[in-house]
Amino acid sequence: ETGVTQSPTHLIKTRGQQVTLRCSSQSGHNTVSWYQQALGQGPQFIFQYYREEENGRGNFPPRFSGLQFPNYSSELNVNALELDDSALYLCASSLPGGRATDTQYFGPGTRLTVL
Amino acid sequence: SQQGEEDPQALSIQEGENATMNCSYKTSINNLQWYRQNSGRGLVHLILIRSNEREKHSGRLRVTLDTSKKSSSLLITASRAADTASYFCATDAIQGAQKLVFGQGTRLTINP
Repeated sequence: ETGVTQSPTHLIKTRGQQVTLRCSSQSGHNTVSWYQQALGQGPQFIFQYYREEENGRGNFPPRFSGLQFPNYSSELNVNALELDDSALYLCASSLPGGRATDTQYFGPGTRLTVL
Repeated sequence: SQQGEEDPQALSIQEGENATMNCSYKTSINNLQWYRQNSGRGLVHLILIRSNEREKHSGRLRVTLDTSKKSSSLLITASRAADTASYFCATDAIQGAQKLVFGQGTRLTINP
């Protein structure tokens, strides 16, 4: 069974740029959620995707957007990067038909630094 | 604001001792989960306790839930160096957006 994988591991961008982060969910999982974790804080829910559609969103502006593909992999896109976007971005999958409140299986994260 | 708040923010104990972490939350929940995170990497699910349960065990872990006080505790018995990590509680509110809300975590250090 393959766990959740994320790429890249680290990324450095400058303010105003755009970034795309990628995630492959755990085998058999068709629900993917994205979280932002600032240093010293707990993860904050960005949104969830189920069957290629956004299925719940946290308090993040529209410049945070996502995609889910037929193979259940997912992307997180952030436009017009701000310094405060510097964080660890975590992808998590859950069992088929699962909700964003079910047990989450997390990937290792992508560390984004915005200069 | 975050739903769950862990206490203490940091805890340092000797190997072999028991570690207790607490979580308080604000609104009624369906369930509460505990996760562990090593060195800023991905979180690992430890245990889920439903609102109609009062206590749950998994190996060296014991979780209690008191819905009247809106609080939960995580006890790790006979701690090991490998237990050094940050521990987060996450709640699933009955009303409002369907999402997990994490606390700020407790940083646990086990000294050899």
